[in-house]
Amino acid sequence: GQNIDQPTEMTATEGAIVQINCTYQTSGFNGLFWYQQHAGEAPTFLSYNVLDGLEEKGRFSSFLSRSKGYSYLLLKELQMKDSASYLCAPMEYGNKLVFGAGTILRVKS
Amino acid sequence: DAEITQSPRHKITETGRQVTLACHQTWNHNNMFWYRQDLGHGLRLIHYSYGVQDTNKGEVSDGYSVSRSNTEDLPLTLESAASSQTSVYFCASSESGGGTEAFFGQGTRLTVV
Repeated sequence: GQNIDQPTEMTATEGAIVQINCTYQTSGFNGLFWYQQHAGEAPTFLSYNVLDGLEEKGRFSSFLSRSKGYSYLLLKELQMKDSASYLCAPMEYGNKLVFGAGTILRVKS
Repeated sequence: DAEITQSPRHKITETGRQVTLACHQTWNHNNMFWYRQDLGHGLRLIHYSYGVQDTNKGEVSDGYSVSRSNTEDLPLTLESAASSQTSVYFCASSESGGGTEAFFGQGTRLTVV
């Protein structure tokens, strides 16, 4: 079956670093995506991991451990505009994304 | 620029009516998906298609249908709208091949009264 767990909400301070964790169990695995979604908008792509390890992309990094069914998204130098929902989405075979409920991140000044 | 568009953006309909939500993409992607998003549930897959004349059921397909007569469009039909189908609907598309990024439309907010 499918099971994706991530924290419901997190709060962090502008300029800080925050790590959003995700554990997953899916039927088949073809990599893991992280999407950002601002309120009332469409999800937008942040990162993709298919092999174990860390992928870095500017202020955002994403880590994957396939054996542990675990990923995290790391956001550095937080900005107010980073306040959004962050969606962990393992990809099953057939390019089907399976989404967790998302983590609402609030950045405070 | 290539894009994916949904229409309408907002719709209010009555229980029992048939409703069709449009999704059109100009990426020339083979894969297209319909999701619904509800508070506490995240995005759940309704139907998906890997190409013309191909359609497949997702995890919450009851009460919904899709058809794929060309590459660009995947309309979603609610056969007989129910209040439980009040939700935000997102269409997405991606290229064939493993691990390709999905691009999402702006969403349709549907209210069934």
